[in-house]
This record gives sequence, structure tokens and C-alpha cells, in this order.
Amino acid sequence: SAVISQKPSRDICQRGTSLTIQCQVDSQVTMMFWYRQQPGQSLTLIATANQGSEATYESGFVIDKFPISRPNLTFSTLTVSNMSPEDSSIYLCSGWDTGLAGVLDEQFFGPGTRLTVL
Amino acid sequence: SQQGEEDPQALSIQEGENATMNCSYKTSINNLQWYRQNSGRGLVHLILIRSNEREKHSGRLRVTLDTSKKSSSLLITASRAADTASYFCATDNRSGADGLTFGKGTHLIIQP
Repeated sequence: SAVISQKPSRDICQRGTSLTIQCQVDSQVTMMFWYRQQPGQSLTLIATANQGSEATYESGFVIDKFPISRPNLTFSTLTVSNMSPEDSSIYLCSGWDTGLAGVLDEQFFGPGTRLTVL
Repeated sequence: SQQGEEDPQALSIQEGENATMNCSYKTSINNLQWYRQNSGRGLVHLILIRSNEREKHSGRLRVTLDTSKKSSSLLITASRAADTASYFCATDNRSGADGLTFGKGTHLIIQP
């Protein structure tokens, strides 16, 4: 499976500011997703990053708060806007593509970005 | 989307013993995947089982899937201290197009 890298790996930010997280895959993938993992919790899907069009957001997540870009099949960014302490989480991107059998195979994840908002 | 539930939420066993974790879900699925996460780091993919499969093995891992009961289990045999981690099941219901729905996870501690 492909390898995903994320930048930054962690950051400490002030309330009211914004942070953009980058996700880079070492090969083209059909689908890319962004997830949030709040402290001590499981992962929750934020949105599907669509190449060349607006992202598809899950219930409870909006574009103004979490704008997403996906300019090509290997790169995506997630911005956490106007941050508050409640946004302190790990943010993970993932990629998903068809395997050798031509069907979607396992979804693989980046190492995550640990965000702390003061 | 469905909510997965793992049980137990926490499990502590002695090194060398087997560890079994269970996962339940609510709606029909296409695939079910198990992941491991060490200390809040990225997720490591362990195994994928498709809805038409009942059992799958990978090294010391054995996964079962019972679609009639909407449940899956992950068995780790001959556990090692390095297996200490959180384990999550995740389901998709439309060939991956909608992303994954994760269970709450089981925190496994292997006592040396």
C-alpha cells in the first residue's frame, strides 16, 4: 500500500488562529479522507476530499470551519479555522485505492497531526 | 452511519496469553477492517475482511466476521508486550466511497 506523510506532525496554536495540515501520498489514490480523533476517543470522519471539486462533509462538520483542498490525486490539505480549545485533537488523513483485484482494498492512514489549542 | 462498538473497552493479560476483542456494528457493510494505534500515533492496518468472508488469518491474527449477528472478533495469539496498543474496527458500507466508521476501540495491555 502507499505511504502517507503529514505536516506538521504536531503544533500548539492560540485560540482564534487557523492551521493548515498537509497530506502527501507517494502514489495516486482514488479517494482521500480526513478524520478527527479527540483525546481518548475513536476516529470520526470529517470529510471526503474530492479531487478538483468541493469536499463532501459529514454531519456536524462544515466547510467554513474545516476547508479542504485536493488539487491532485496525491495531495490534500485540511485547515482548522478560528480554533478553540475544543479543536484539540489528532487529525489524520487517509487514502484508499483499488488493489490488484480491481476492488477497493484497505484504507491506509498517515501518522496524524497532533493539535493543541490554548 | 453505523456506530461500531468494541468490547471490552480495556483488556489486560499476561504475555503469551491470547487476546480476543469483539466489534459490533448496526448496518450492512461491504468490508470490515481492524487497525492498531500505539499511544495516539497513526493507525496501522492489520487486516481486512470482506462481507462474503467468514474468517481470515494473518500471522498471529485471526479475524472472524458474522454478518448475521453484525459482529467481528480479532484474536491475537501468543501475545507480546509489543502488542500493547489500542485496537479499532472500522466498517464501510459502499466500497469505500463513504469513508470508514470506527468503533470505540479496545485498549490492550500486555503484562510482561
